[in-house]
Amino acid sequence: DQQVKQNSPSLSVQEGRISILNCDYTNSMFDYFLWYKKYPAEGPTFLISISSIKDKNEDGRFTVFLNKSAKHLSLHIVPSQPGDSAVYFCAASLGYGQNFVFGPGTRLSVLP
Amino acid sequence: DSGVTQTPKHLITATGQRVTLRCSPRSGDLSVYWYQQSLDQGLQFLIQYYNGEERAKGNILERFSAQQFPDLHSELNLSSLELGDSALYFCASSVRQGTTPGNTIYFGEGSWLTVV
Repeated sequence: DQQVKQNSPSLSVQEGRISILNCDYTNSMFDYFLWYKKYPAEGPTFLISISSIKDKNEDGRFTVFLNKSAKHLSLHIVPSQPGDSAVYFCAASLGYGQNFVFGPGTRLSVLP
Repeated sequence: DSGVTQTPKHLITATGQRVTLRCSPRSGDLSVYWYQQSLDQGLQFLIQYYNGEERAKGNILERFSAQQFPDLHSELNLSSLELGDSALYFCASSVRQGTTPGNTIYFGEGSWLTVV
């Protein structure tokens, strides 16, 4: 049973437009969320995080939104660039000392 | 470069064999995590060590085992290999155990295992 879901296996966006990647979770006890980006043949790299006490966190072109009541978070990339083309993983944690649960990933393609 | 080093990068072996994957965490990191990524699958958590002690276990098969040594490097041992064990195995490390704000985990580049 997948606790963290990314229902879109892939997403294509035009360069300069907004990319929105979605993530849903089933366990309401998750209280810390992260996004990782992965290029082919490389390990995942940390992108941005948000704790459950916030509903938004912003870092440059990347913004993560958290809707606890809907058990949903999203990653917005504005403006999208071709270098953003990668697989994006959403991850969730039950809190201090607990481990991450990763979603299956969404492959983002930013078209020039 | 995340600072997490994994060896070997690629490995091809036959069914029934045993292999050992090695991971050196970032300098100063006490936690080591192992993840498996099979074709078209997400990252599956296998096991976590903190300062030499096992702290959490995920979907790790009984044929697999791991340990973290006093110098904090870790090894993942995979035995009686089956075709389905072919995957990319990632090691990750962090300063503290588990997830706290600011305790980002950093991934290595992975070890590609192909079982033929």
